[in-house]
Amino acid sequence: GQQLNQSPQSMFIQEGEDVSMNCTSSSIFNTWLWYKQDPGEGPVLLIALYKAGELTSNGRLTAQFGITRKDSFLNISASIPSDVGIYFCAGRPGGTSYGKLTFGQGTILTVHP
Amino acid sequence: DVKVTQSSRYLVKRTGEKVFLECVQDMDHENMFWYRQDPGLGLRLIYFSYDVKMKEKGDIPEGYSVSREKKERFSLILESASTNQTSMYLCASTKNTGELFFGEGSRLTVL
Repeated sequence: GQQLNQSPQSMFIQEGEDVSMNCTSSSIFNTWLWYKQDPGEGPVLLIALYKAGELTSNGRLTAQFGITRKDSFLNISASIPSDVGIYFCAGRPGGTSYGKLTFGQGTILTVHP
Repeated sequence: DVKVTQSSRYLVKRTGEKVFLECVQDMDHENMFWYRQDPGLGLRLIYFSYDVKMKEKGDIPEGYSVSREKKERFSLILESASTNQTSMYLCASTKNTGELFFGEGSRLTVL
């Protein structure tokens, strides 16, 4: 199945630094979702975006739905050790039925204290 | 709080055994999904269901079957487990245009 192009694949940062990751697609999406997955756990929804150009925050997290509807980014400000995990983007293409999503491969985030 | 519950967090089975993975959601969602997650391969869709007794194949249905007898419950069945089915299995549910919610995952090891 189709995969989104998510980058970077991994990041190693110091506590307090800001983080940015993004996803791109060759097709238009109507919905973008960002998830975080801790080791051995299921992904947890962080932010949902439904309109092109939409910018949404959740605490230190900010995500944007690209104006072309083919990309999205996630920023984490002032990172802390508990931000460690895998971050996934997911998109729902226009016309998709039954709520099916396309997923990025994930960004592995490591935060050094 | 919305909830997707997977019955077993960790299972160890032998090759050839029949395996049932159960998933229950309390959000009255129409759509339910089973994914498997392997390092380097991301999330891959096995099967999904958009209504009771309805099912559709995903990207990797071989070796699996599913059952949806009630709206809140979606079961994944491995008729004869094999070692290459050792993986993390994730159940999820959603309405047609809403957010997808995942369960905590079931880590299956087949010996």
